[in-house]
Amino acid sequence: AQSVTQPDIHITVSEGASLELRCNYSYGATPYLFWYVQSPGQGLQLLLKYFSGDTLVQGIKGFEAEFKRSQSSFNLRKPSVHWSDAAEYFCAVVPEGATNKLIFGTGTLLAVQP
Amino acid sequence: DGGITQSPKYLFRKEGQNVTLSCEQNLNHDAMYWYRQDPGQGLRLIYYSQIVNDFQKGDIAEGYSVSREKKESFPLTVTSAQKNPTAFYLCASSTPQRDYEQFFGPGTRLTVL
Repeated sequence: AQSVTQPDIHITVSEGASLELRCNYSYGATPYLFWYVQSPGQGLQLLLKYFSGDTLVQGIKGFEAEFKRSQSSFNLRKPSVHWSDAAEYFCAVVPEGATNKLIFGTGTLLAVQP
Repeated sequence: DGGITQSPKYLFRKEGQNVTLSCEQNLNHDAMYWYRQDPGQGLRLIYYSQIVNDFQKGDIAEGYSVSREKKESFPLTVTSAQKNPTAFYLCASSTPQRDYEQFFGPGTRLTVL
């Protein structure tokens, strides 16, 4: 079945530690891929996106993500987490040939320990 | 600055009443969307509209209705037929010129008492 999977519901990291949030999808060979962040009670903000080209994508706030076609993954990374990064993170996919739909994963809630 | 506005931020209604959530954008985007967000379920698409006077059902359209009379506006009505309307509602818009990236409003939290 077509899906976007974020296997980690909740992650806690220490401030200054590295972070990797996982995302796997099953929508075609080369979908459009996005990572969004949501602070409590707020809308979603785009962190980064991938459509083609270099598989390592840089985003805002020091985040990056790597598209791995062989693994159908688009994991989000940050080398050093700040307390202000505590939020919920959503991976999303526009399936190939279906540009009118954005399919979201269920989200990963990130907590940052001092 | 261009963006999407949703009003009100918080909305309380009695069970059995219809309620309309506002969404306005000044980004000149053709496409607009409504999502429902519940804890642990991510975002689910209710309705979307690619052009004025046209809209399509999303994955969970039952109990909701929309209109798209103007490019800038895409109001969502939560009807009494929606069995569990208490949720956080997000509006978004997109354009092909921005690679179909969706821009989101701040959301409306609806509580039905």
